[in-house]
Amino acid sequence: NAGVMQNPRHLVRRRGQEARLRCSPMKGHSHVYWYRQLPEEGLKFMVYLQKENIIDESGMPKERFSAEFPKEGPSILRIQQVVRGDSAAYFCASSPNQQGVGTEAFFGQGTRLTVV
Amino acid sequence: RKEVEQDPGPFNVPEGATVAFNCTYSNSASQSFFWYRQDCRKEPKLLMSVYSSGNEDGRFTAQLNRASQYISLLIRDSKLSDSATYLCVVNPGELNNNDMRFGAGTRLTVKP
Repeated sequence: NAGVMQNPRHLVRRRGQEARLRCSPMKGHSHVYWYRQLPEEGLKFMVYLQKENIIDESGMPKERFSAEFPKEGPSILRIQQVVRGDSAAYFCASSPNQQGVGTEAFFGQGTRLTVV
Repeated sequence: RKEVEQDPGPFNVPEGATVAFNCTYSNSASQSFFWYRQDCRKEPKLLMSVYSSGNEDGRFTAQLNRASQYISLLIRDSKLSDSATYLCVVNPGELNNNDMRFGAGTRLTVKP
């Protein structure tokens, strides 16, 4: 059972370009979370999705950032018109479809975005 | 007030020392709690879940205090390999909702 797969592992973009980060959750997991980690800082929640639904996007910047988790395929975090401040590690996590008391989340290895 | 707050650290301790981290959470309805460990430039990994009665796993002990809304992690007999950032995670655990919120982490360095 493969773990959470993120790609690419490293992404370099020039200012103004678009960045697309992909996350394939573990098999059987229907909950996906995206987090951003700036250098020397902690994880910051961005968005929580279930299949075809955004459950909580309170951590997403209002502009340029969007996320989706389609019925088929990976979850995508999209950053339009990237700026230097977007440079960070972006981690995706997934958890199983289990109601009631929460279960642990499993993380991918992250995508390190560098904006030059 | 942040949803999850942790001791900022860093904690620098000698091998063999006992060290404790605290974490407070703001949502009194939270139901699930975890400690994760993150090594430098790696993804976070689950260290242990935290149960109401407290739980122990080898040198690690986790405690939950619902009345005061905090959880703690105690590490006994610290090893060099314990050096990492420890993340407190709180999950509201509402039905059909597995939202998870992380603290900023506490950095631990264990020195020879």
